Amino acid sequence: ETGVTQTPRHLVMGMTNKKSLKCEQHLGHNAMYWYKQSAKKPLELMFVYSLEERVENNSVPSRFSPECPNSSHLFLHLHTLQPEDSALYLCASSQLVAYEQYFGPGTRLTVT
Amino acid sequence: GESVGLHLPTLSVQEGDNSIINCAYSNSASDYFIWYKQESGKGPQFIIDIRSNMDKRQGQRVTVLLNKTVKHLSLQIAATQPGDSAVYFCAERRGGADGLTFGKGTHLIIQP
Repeated sequence: ETGVTQTPRHLVMGMTNKKSLKCEQHLGHNAMYWYKQSAKKPLELMFVYSLEERVENNSVPSRFSPECPNSSHLFLHLHTLQPEDSALYLCASSQLVAYEQYFGPGTRLTVT
Repeated sequence: GESVGLHLPTLSVQEGDNSIINCAYSNSASDYFIWYKQESGKGPQFIIDIRSNMDKRQGQRVTVLLNKTVKHLSLQIAATQPGDSAVYFCAERRGGADGLTFGKGTHLIIQP
């Protein structure tokens, strides 16, 4: 596969569940990002990893926990989420932080 | 305000006409701007970028104009086609490690 892939594409989870979102980039990039996209709102940056080190955490609740085991993979671990966390979660990568970013298709998350 | 914004949430154009989508930004220190296209059910897709030392940049059927005096960015799409129907949003790089800041988006609707 090429570009940025995300799995699963759709996820429905209860507030007491634990799940993980996975992102993989095949572009040889050094930076990876998680964004939250809610209806009628701009993209909200959640986390930035550069060379596998977290460089930005935008006051995201601790129920979201990122993990970057290597430069090609990024995870977002979810636990005890709230209904307002329902959104499209997008992963992106770039060669350098704050340059052109390539996005995955997103995971549509619904918290019930 | 502090965020990158767009003047119109929805823009409707006739197929074959030219489209102009606008974006206003507030940070005069921003040095890099990108336009993204997001089709329904997909992640944002890079269209074109421009650095602050340029006023205009052209791609295939698209042109980005940057007016730093009034902090205004526009995307022009020539001969709009049905496949251009999507949400378009701009992003700016303000510096630091937090990547890009995104606007809310304009939904471009193509009428036959």
